[in-house]
Amino acid sequence: GQQLNQSPQSMFIQEGEDVSMNCTSSSIFNTWLWYKQDPGEGPVLLIALYKAGELTSNGRLTAQFGITRKDSFLNISASIPSDVGIYFCAGPRYNNNDMRFGAGTRLTVKP
Amino acid sequence: EAQVTQNPRYLITVTGKKLTVTCSQNMNHEYMSWYRQDPGLGLRQIYYSMNVEVTDKGDVPEGYKVSRKEKRNFPLILESPSPNQTSLYFCASSLGDTAYEQYFGPGTRLTVT
Repeated sequence: GQQLNQSPQSMFIQEGEDVSMNCTSSSIFNTWLWYKQDPGEGPVLLIALYKAGELTSNGRLTAQFGITRKDSFLNISASIPSDVGIYFCAGPRYNNNDMRFGAGTRLTVKP
Repeated sequence: EAQVTQNPRYLITVTGKKLTVTCSQNMNHEYMSWYRQDPGLGLRQIYYSMNVEVTDKGDVPEGYKVSRKEKRNFPLILESPSPNQTSLYFCASSLGDTAYEQYFGPGTRLTVT
């Protein structure tokens, strides 16, 4: 099936550092979504990408939809303690209605 | 406040005892979905619904049932729970009839002994 491979699985960084994570697939996706899950809560949408090559920012977050449509990247600049959580990439499967999620990147930020 | 609510938030039950986890959204969203989250596996979709009386299987539907009789509610039913259904469950909804940009509930942690 269409699997989404996220890397790295976990990251331990110092406050103020920049963070980069990515998501790849063997299949083409028409939409890439990035979610963040805070401890004990449900995921929250951060950024949605709808076009190959698209680069979108949301505050300190920047995400890109890869040109091949098989990958996407999320960057966080100048990390702060509240960036702690699990970041998931996601995309719709063959139709627009069933979603695949990556296994997540767990981010820890040391003050 | 716009939200997705789930009940109960925590449940411990025994193998074979039927249970229902309720999900309700107050945003008039057409699309609703159920996921389970297990360590190292991310979120896997169980069932989704594009509108009232329209439901379809996701990635891992075995052992689960759903119904969508009203737009706002999408209960998840486990007719005969088993220990491998111990997991964290999330309900989500989105505007329109696609899965984009979903709003997630707070989660239900289920333990089946």
